[in-house]
Amino acid sequence: QVLESGGGLVQPGGSLRLSCAASGFSFSDYWMSWVRQAAGKGLEWVANTNKDGSAKNYVDSVKGRFTISRDNADNSLYLQMNSLRVEDTALYHCARVADGSGSFDYWGQGTLVTVSS
Amino acid sequence: DIQMTQSPSSLSASVGDRVTITCRASESVKTYLNWYRVKPGKAPELLIYAVSTLETGVPSRFSGSGTGTDFTLTISSLQPEDFATYYCQQSHSNPLTFGPGTKVDI
Repeated sequence: QVLESGGGLVQPGGSLRLSCAASGFSFSDYWMSWVRQAAGKGLEWVANTNKDGSAKNYVDSVKGRFTISRDNADNSLYLQMNSLRVEDTALYHCARVADGSGSFDYWGQGTLVTVSS
Repeated sequence: DIQMTQSPSSLSASVGDRVTITCRASESVKTYLNWYRVKPGKAPELLIYAVSTLETGVPSRFSGSGTGTDFTLTISSLQPEDFATYYCQQSHSNPLTFGPGTKVDI
């Protein structure tokens, strides 16, 4: 199970930190990702990190603004979001990455981020 | 970046119908092609990974096929819970990308 938190309403240019608490599996054995879905739109991959957090990848639209991190001792994944834009408004899902296929095999319900003045 | 397209963008069907959705990648993704079902207000569900392998617990009415750049998802007999939006996704290379989705409704 993965459970996201930390979403909310923020003004353009503001910051938020999303958290994802994982349970029921060995967190440190898996890559993890953030995927978002704006209302009425499709799924968009945002970022991923490898098992020990030493490698991180981002979609171009968030590079330099968002930072993914993890704490394996606490079974937690994070997404620090700075310089938020209206177009970052979406439901943000935490997802486990399956070994081998790279598919997202476990997803959380998501936490809603709204960027608006 | 690898672009993913899907067709159709939406379709209307009835319970019991056979439904086929097509996904195309802008370059070869080898076998790194996955399918998801998304119902409103629910977390996305992985249906098929690596083109044709059914995720544990997914009913056998779902099947996937294809290779390289062209892939299909088939639902052999549509059930009420299958009215949802379906997305393909490539996990071959970053940035990971999804297709735009196919909405299946009544």
